[in-house]
Amino acid sequence: KNEVEQSPQNLTAQEGEFITINCSYSVGISALHWLQQHPGGGIVSLFMLSSGKKKHGRLIATINIQEKHSSLHITASHPRDSAVYICAYSNSGYALNFGKGTSLLVTP
Amino acid sequence: SQTIHQWPATLVQPVGSPLSLECTVEGTSNPNLYWYRQAAGRGLQLLFYSVGIGQISSEVPQNLSASRPQDRQFILSSKKLLLSDSGFYLCAWSPGRVGDTQYFGPGTRLTVL
Repeated sequence: KNEVEQSPQNLTAQEGEFITINCSYSVGISALHWLQQHPGGGIVSLFMLSSGKKKHGRLIATINIQEKHSSLHITASHPRDSAVYICAYSNSGYALNFGKGTSLLVTP
Repeated sequence: SQTIHQWPATLVQPVGSPLSLECTVEGTSNPNLYWYRQAAGRGLQLLFYSVGIGQISSEVPQNLSASRPQDRQFILSSKKLLLSDSGFYLCAWSPGRVGDTQYFGPGTRLTVL
């Protein structure tokens, strides 16, 4: 059983819509990571957070440690936001434990 | 600034042939280094990580091995490739703190025929 569950698996949105991607985990963690994988395969780290909320441009990430849940929000979505968004956690070790990703398509 | 290089970008190899993928990092010293594999339709799987020269930790028993001959060089190898080794291989680095942000290379797409 995967210790990181993401929902939805696939998401299609119209340009301009507000998007939410959810991540739930079942173990104690030291930090939660959100990453973006472009259609060509390259991966970029978006956020690392251990509490509260972080914002970068149109992206917002939140985490609720008690509920073991994190969300990634995209405001005013754009076709260039189309990618796979991956949630991962770190705990006592160096490795990250990844979810399977949410595939987002934003149509014009 | 730090950069991470991987090569080759694409590779097609026959079953039973050897493999060598190389990853180098510039602009930092003593990074933690990682090899991941992403099989078609699946999530990222950590294969190996290294916290220093000659120090390799294996996460998953498999047909692959890793080496770190220099501080900023990480090599993924196989003596005999299997069909199941096909996938997208990503190298990553992070500063030497547990659970820190990881920075990924461009990846190598390996097809074993």
